Amino acid sequence: DAKTTQPTSMDCAEGRAANLPCNHSTISGNEYVYWYRQIHSQGPQYIIHGLKNNETNEMASLIITEDRKSSTLILPHATLRDTAVYYCIVRAAWEAGTALIFGKGTTLSVSS
Amino acid sequence: SAVISQKPSRDICQRGTSLTIQCQVDSQVTMMFWYRQQPGQSLTLIATANQGSEATYESGFVIDKFPISRPNLTFSTLTVSNMSPEDSSIYLCSVEASGRFGEQFFGPGTRLTVL
Repeated sequence: DAKTTQPTSMDCAEGRAANLPCNHSTISGNEYVYWYRQIHSQGPQYIIHGLKNNETNEMASLIITEDRKSSTLILPHATLRDTAVYYCIVRAAWEAGTALIFGKGTTLSVSS
Repeated sequence: SAVISQKPSRDICQRGTSLTIQCQVDSQVTMMFWYRQQPGQSLTLIATANQGSEATYESGFVIDKFPISRPNLTFSTLTVSNMSPEDSSIYLCSVEASGRFGEQFFGPGTRLTVL
């Protein structure tokens, strides 16, 4: 059964913030939220992850709701190169060393 | 981080033949993962390859069709056997970053077309 639910597609204007939602209402206390993206014709790329606190790195910010049932990946100033499929993945600490399981993801289209 | 290379980057093959895909990592890793990505679809895990033991296959994938070798800690091969057009996909290998739980690095993929 899918652990996450994401919209199939989203559009964003270049230079604007892209806010990608993910629902993970059955998440358990020891499960992390990971975000990856796959630009066309490339392998997936790690973006960011978090447990319960909001996280920020050079690529994006991750906002996790207080009840941890949903999260939002924020690309603060989207560019055309951010056009990709974005995957939200929930993963427990005990799963270290095991493969990521991908859902369908959200196709983000950034246009000028 | 880990840098992963795959060979070949793409190939066009005739049905009934086999193709072996190579995956090379620039550092030693315990587990290597093989995925398939059919046209327009998400990634599907084929198997997990642990050095020194037989690969563990996911439901729907069998060793006779997708034999995997893992001779050392930096290298693995995936063979797609007795190919049919339904095997046309991108095949990707991946590793988990050492000490970085959940952060996987992916190779560039091998784009396979079966005629």
